[in-house]
Amino acid sequence: GAVVSQHPSRVICKSGTSVKIECRSLDFQATTMFWYRQFPKQSLMLMATSNEGSKATYEQGVEKDKFLINHASLTLSTLTVTSAHPEDSSFYICSARYTEAFFGQGTRLTVV
Amino acid sequence: GENVEQHPSTLSVQEGDSAVIKCTYSDSASNYFPWYKQELGKRPQLIIDIRSNVGEKKDQRIAVTLNKTAKHFSLHITETQPEDSAVYFCAASWEGAGSYQLTFGKGTKLSVIP
Repeated sequence: GAVVSQHPSRVICKSGTSVKIECRSLDFQATTMFWYRQFPKQSLMLMATSNEGSKATYEQGVEKDKFLINHASLTLSTLTVTSAHPEDSSFYICSARYTEAFFGQGTRLTVV
Repeated sequence: GENVEQHPSTLSVQEGDSAVIKCTYSDSASNYFPWYKQELGKRPQLIIDIRSNVGEKKDQRIAVTLNKTAKHFSLHITETQPEDSAVYFCAASWEGAGSYQLTFGKGTKLSVIP
C-alpha cells in the first residue's frame, strides 16, 4: 500500500531553537497533506492543511508564524516549529490522502 | 465546521466478548466515516471505513454501521482478542472536489482482558 514517511521520529531540542519535520509520500503524489498535533491520551487535532505550490491553511488558534509549513513538491511537506518552547512538546503526525488517508510515523518533539 | 463526538472514552471487555464504540457527527454533508486503531506511540491505522451510500460494512470481526438520519455511526468488534487493545478513533469528512479533511473523535481506549 501507499506509504507516508515522516522524519525524524524523535527529536529533543533546546528552548528557543527551531525544528524541521519532514513528511514524504513515497509512492504517490500528494497535492494536499495534513499536519496534526496529538497530546498524550488525546485525539489528533488538525493544525494545518499543506497545499503544494501555495500557502498552507491553518486552523483557528494555530500560529502560522510559529508553525511554518512548506509544500514545495508533490511528495514533500515540511513543518518547522520555530523558537520552540516546552509547551510545544507533543506528537506531530502528517497524513496524505491516496485511496485512504495514510499517516506518517509521527514525530515526538521534546523541548527542554 | 464538523464536530465528532465519540463514546465511551474507555472500554474494558473480557476476551471473546464484543465491543461497541459509538460516534455522532454534526455536518449532514459528511459522506466518509473511517475508523482508526492507534497503538501507543504509533501512527493511526485504518481498520474499516464506510461511505454515506452504505448502511453497514463488515470485515471479519469488525463491522461499522451508519445511520445518516440520526448522524451516528458505530464500530463493532466481535470475539475480541488481547491484540485488539488500543485506542480507536472515529472520523468524519466530506469528500469532494479534492477535499479530504478529517475531523476526529476524542478516541476510545479499549482494553481486552485475557
